[in-house]
Amino acid sequence: EAGVAQSPRYKIIEKRQSVAFWCNPISGHATLYWYQQILGQGPKLLIQFQNNGVVDDSQLPKDRFSAERLKGVDSTLKIQPAKLEDSAVYLCASSSSPLPGQPQHFGDGTRLSIL
Amino acid sequence: SQQGEEDPQALSIQEGENATMNCSYKTSINNLQWYRQNSGRGLVHLILIRSNEREKHSGRLRVTLDTSKKSSSLLITASRAADTASYFCATETYPNTGNQFYFGTGTSLTVIP
Repeated sequence: EAGVAQSPRYKIIEKRQSVAFWCNPISGHATLYWYQQILGQGPKLLIQFQNNGVVDDSQLPKDRFSAERLKGVDSTLKIQPAKLEDSAVYLCASSSSPLPGQPQHFGDGTRLSIL
Repeated sequence: SQQGEEDPQALSIQEGENATMNCSYKTSINNLQWYRQNSGRGLVHLILIRSNEREKHSGRLRVTLDTSKKSSSLLITASRAADTASYFCATETYPNTGNQFYFGTGTSLTVIP
């Protein structure tokens, strides 16, 4: 089966600009996650979707970050305006169900650099 | 703050040796998973252990869980150069609003051929 697809792979922007990332999960996976991974750290969960509904967005900085999954398949994560501390790799993951203990399948991420 | 802390932060061994990395966490959990991340790539799921289990095996991997000490360990036996990667533990809890995941800080493993 095809894996989780993310684009772009790299993005360089200046602070205060806007940026968007796209994710296409594994076909049939109802649960989708966005993570932020700062260099040298583990991934931090930003938001979790179940189909097109938000399950958990408690760690999403809502003043500048937004995410949507309108048709319950693809998802986009947006940052507006970007700050220097947003430099990180943004990872998308999906799982087949929201039931506990399901493995997550990750894309290769988008590496964001803020100048 | 993140739930898990891994130890050591970095580990370098010779090919064929065993590698052990540890994960400690702060609050009660329902599951703990281990993932591998190669440089510049996404994470890959390795193994899951539930809170009522003490040990699990998968190929060259052995995972233990001690809920009384809030700690887990991952043992990779007969290491290979291809095992060079970062390894993360991820804890899972089930509050009423849905399952929550916290990844640890990771152990960077280098296997020297």
